Amino acid sequence: DIQMTQSPSTLSASVGDRVTITCRASQTLGSWLAWYQQKPGKAPNLLIYQASGRESGVPSRFSGSGYGTEFTLTISSLQPDDFATYFCQHYHTYPWTFGQGTKVEIK
Amino acid sequence: QVQLVQSGAEVQKPGASVKVSCKASGYPFTNFAIHWVRQAPGQRLEWMGWINAGNGDTKYSQRFQGRVTITRDTSASTVDMGLSSLRSEDTALYYCAREGTMGGFDFWGLGTLVTVSS
Repeated sequence: DIQMTQSPSTLSASVGDRVTITCRASQTLGSWLAWYQQKPGKAPNLLIYQASGRESGVPSRFSGSGYGTEFTLTISSLQPDDFATYFCQHYHTYPWTFGQGTKVEIK
Repeated sequence: QVQLVQSGAEVQKPGASVKVSCKASGYPFTNFAIHWVRQAPGQRLEWMGWINAGNGDTKYSQRFQGRVTITRDTSASTVDMGLSSLRSEDTALYYCAREGTMGGFDFWGLGTLVTVSS
């Protein structure tokens, strides 16, 4: 199975900060990677598909980049609604696997 | 609007089986695959398997091979996930999710809590 490792596990930031989350895969994925946001008690919400494609309705402050084994999710200017947990997920080969999550907390 | 409505919470004993349903609406049911993902307390999300809602083809994670069955009813726009030989480690929130055309899961159900306890 492809292992997905996110860093950091927790991130403390302030409104307006630029935030970057990294996801590393144990094998090359091409661009077959998605990013999700999850708030407590809610289902995950798709932000980014194919490493850099922004899902419809997702604010432009969210962007994704990367290829192969290293990927990043960037929030250009953190907003109050963005404090949540973020997951990466690959869909290169079965089984599809997820990162352990990065919790973005208020500093 | 696209909706995935899941069945209610379940409490089962070890060794029993459970079936969780997911009713889709708001889009052509047979045009999209439905996946099942679970989230155990304190654990990362875990992919279980998927079904092609059009032709019924399935693919399961090896971790659940032999214990999980995913079926669909096109007349009811419903996908069912059955998990057998339950153990305490299967206690989790089970989600159905639609696979988007560009990849990733673009719509999710609200989740069904399955508790396995004697």
